[in-house]
Amino acid sequence: GNSVTQMEGPVTLSEEAFLTINCTYTATGYPSLFWYVQYPGEGLQLLLKATKADDKGSNKGFEATYRKETTSFHLEKGSVQVSDSAVYFCALSGPMYSGGGADGLTFGKGTHLIIQP
Amino acid sequence: DADVTQTPRNRITKTGKRIMLECSQTKGHDRMYWYRQDPGLGLRLIYYSFDVKDINKGEISDGYSVSRQAQAKFSLSLESAIPNQTALYFCATSDGDEQYFGPGTRLTVT
Repeated sequence: GNSVTQMEGPVTLSEEAFLTINCTYTATGYPSLFWYVQYPGEGLQLLLKATKADDKGSNKGFEATYRKETTSFHLEKGSVQVSDSAVYFCALSGPMYSGGGADGLTFGKGTHLIIQP
Repeated sequence: DADVTQTPRNRITKTGKRIMLECSQTKGHDRMYWYRQDPGLGLRLIYYSFDVKDINKGEISDGYSVSRQAQAKFSLSLESAIPNQTALYFCATSDGDEQYFGPGTRLTVT
């Protein structure tokens, strides 16, 4: 079945540091890949997505490239801010079970990012 | 107004009680989902629905049931709540690829 593995947290960085959160996946076929962000006390918001190999998703200074050869979708940002402190989830869409016919997103466990002033 | 709403936002209940969590959406999507979030485990799919007549079990459906009363409404029920169902529950809708999440319901079973 499908699975997503992302780096464990918490990740603590200073403001203006470079950010990388690693994400690798296992999936059949050609899933779409997503990064969602959850701010304290809120639901999940889509941060960016990529639907096919070599696509780059970008939003709010964050970027991630769909790498089929390494089955990865690492999240990067060149200069983080305190307001980026949140939990980040990598996810993929597509059939969840080998029998097919299922739906929904498969999520990683989440990475808690803490940015210090 | 929010596109996906959930009620209640917080609920404390006792073991053995029946409880219903409700979700409504104004996005006009056919697909709706229920997930639960546990610390360190990410989100896991409970049930999903492609339309009013189509209900499907997800990864962790045991102990839960759902009702799709209309295109816009999808309810999750715990027939007899137990403490390990304490979690944050999210409803989501989909246009076929991207999913849109509600604000969540924090459920505590004592």
